Amino acid sequence: EVQLVESGGGLVQPGGSLRLSCVASGFTFSTYWMSWVRQTPGKGLEWVANIKEDGSEKYYAESVKGRFTISRDNAKDALYLQMNSLRAEDTAVFYCARGGSWYFDWGQGTLVTVSS
Amino acid sequence: EIVLTQSPGTLSLSPGERATLSCRASQSVSSSFLAWYQQKPGQAPRLLIYGASSRASGIPDRVSGSGSGTDFTLTISRLEPEDFAVYYCQFYGGIPKTFGQGTKVEIK
Repeated sequence: EVQLVESGGGLVQPGGSLRLSCVASGFTFSTYWMSWVRQTPGKGLEWVANIKEDGSEKYYAESVKGRFTISRDNAKDALYLQMNSLRAEDTAVFYCARGGSWYFDWGQGTLVTVSS
Repeated sequence: EIVLTQSPGTLSLSPGERATLSCRASQSVSSSFLAWYQQKPGQAPRLLIYGASSRASGIPDRVSGSGSGTDFTLTISRLEPEDFAVYYCQFYGGIPKTFGQGTKVEIK
């Protein structure tokens, strides 16, 4: 059974940083693109970033480019999202997802709240 | 950027009825790059359809996808109680990958 377990969300002040993690199991992690997708009540689902199997290619939404960094550790079956210079509009549930185009599986999500 | 517009916003139907959900793209897209997801309250989205018409693993055959160009459709032939949820379409043919705003299928 595929499992994706996110962690690292929480409350952070505007301008602050947070690092999200996603640990994968139930599939060969190193053979899949991986992605981060976020969801807010107002803007719905929004693709954030994705990363190639070996980490050699990374793509970002314009709204997070230069502030967020996606990375992975295939030895640990883990995906990461380093988020810097956080803004109120980054408040969302962040999902880790298997796949770089359509998303085969999703984690349960981790809530990030940016507020003073 | 491809903008996806889903309609209707809410669909009120009874179990056993047919549901037809629309997803319209702002410009013509390859049908290879269109997916559909189902989301229930408090849960993550679940993949239903990719490539516009290919069912994901474990998805029953009462769920089907079709369309081309700018107009795509998700059809649920006979609604079961577990089908009442929010449905999203997604375009994944480039950067950025985009989602529609969702259609809620509610019990009438």
